[in-house]
Amino acid sequence: GNSVTQMEGPVTLSEEAFLTINCTYTATGYPSLFWYVQYPGEGLQLLLKATKADDKGSNKGFEATYRKETTSFHLEKGSVQVSDSAVYFCALTPYGGYNKLIFGAGTRLAVHP
Amino acid sequence: NAGVTQTPKFQVLKTGQSMTLQCAQDMNHEYMSWYRQDPGMGLRLIHYSVGAGITDQGEVPNGYNVSRSTTEDFPLRLLSAAPSQTSVYFCASSSTGGRLGYGYTFGSGTRLTVV
Repeated sequence: GNSVTQMEGPVTLSEEAFLTINCTYTATGYPSLFWYVQYPGEGLQLLLKATKADDKGSNKGFEATYRKETTSFHLEKGSVQVSDSAVYFCALTPYGGYNKLIFGAGTRLAVHP
Repeated sequence: NAGVTQTPKFQVLKTGQSMTLQCAQDMNHEYMSWYRQDPGMGLRLIHYSVGAGITDQGEVPNGYNVSRSTTEDFPLRLLSAAPSQTSVYFCASSSTGGRLGYGYTFGSGTRLTVV
């Protein structure tokens, strides 16, 4: 079946540190891949997306590259800020499964000054 | 542009009570979905709809009913609440179902506690 696996959190970093949150997936065909972010007390917001192999999604300094060969979509940021503290979800929509956004368990990021 | 609006934001129910969680979107999106969020489990799909009059089950549909009489509204009904339904519920909509990379727009959530 289709599934998403994320690294467990929480991830605790100092401001300006480098961030990597690992995400791997299992899916048939070519899924679309997403990172969503949930700030405290809010709903989920789309952070970035990639729809085919080798695509790089980017937004607000965050990047993730669709790696078909390793079935991965790791989230990176070169210098985190306190305002990046949130829960990050990796997700996919299966090929042909337009309505089934499948999420990983989420990774909580805490950034300290 | 309000996006996706969920009501209520908080609710406490007693076991066995029924209630309806409301979801409305003003973006003329065809696709709407309901998810529940539980610690350590991410979001799981309850029910979804591809348009008015069309609904289908997701991963965890038991104990929930939905209907889609209009494009704008997609209410979620709990017929007989159980403590296992204590969760945060999110409604989401999309114009293309996410395949083309547009992703979904989420509401701000309803926190439900069943005692």
